[in-house]
Amino acid sequence: GAVVSQHPSWVICKSGTSVKIECRSLDFQATTMFWYRQFPKQSLMLMATSNEGSKATYEQGVEKDKFLINHASLTLSTLTVTSAHPEDSSFYICSAQTGVWNQPQHFGDGTRLSIL
Amino acid sequence: DAKTTQPTSMDCAEGRAANLPCNHSTISGNEYVYWYRQIHSQGPQYIIHGLKNNETNEMASLIITEDRKSSTLILPHATLRDTAVYYCIVGGLTGNQFYFGTGTSLTVIP
Repeated sequence: GAVVSQHPSWVICKSGTSVKIECRSLDFQATTMFWYRQFPKQSLMLMATSNEGSKATYEQGVEKDKFLINHASLTLSTLTVTSAHPEDSSFYICSAQTGVWNQPQHFGDGTRLSIL
Repeated sequence: DAKTTQPTSMDCAEGRAANLPCNHSTISGNEYVYWYRQIHSQGPQYIIHGLKNNETNEMASLIITEDRKSSTLILPHATLRDTAVYYCIVGGLTGNQFYFGTGTSLTVIP
């Protein structure tokens, strides 16, 4: 149980384009979803917290206009990287959690984004 | 910011127990300790979590000190597939944001 699916797993696109990444909880309802990014040889960095039906809360230093997050249902959240540039190339990972406050987050397998 | 500190790296012989320590001296009364591991180019995998009592599941055991300022993750019989980066995280309050530290890179040696 507690499976989180992330799509696509790998995407390469040209500078200036927008890229959408999907995160789905397959066998549970996720009241809260989280988005992280990870650079090579570094730890995960929390970007934003997304509650179903509400606007996402972004961590300090994360541009909300560049990283658009939508959490329209209890099983789906999307991250759109707008006008992507090479410095946005990274490993993006989502996680999902039920509404029970102390339950663990369950992570997707990540999306490797490469901007040329 | 992460509320935990862990050794950067550890080695463990295959078949032996791997004991991974974590310090979380500023943990608050209602916060849980969570352990995850990440194998290269994959998302973190949940291992175990606990509040103050020791916990055990099919993957590992979690020992939390009485003052809750530190904990140890125990993999009882390490295999080569346990080679990964192990993260100890403190969380569980409203919002339940996870702030990852640098983790411990565990290498299981044949």
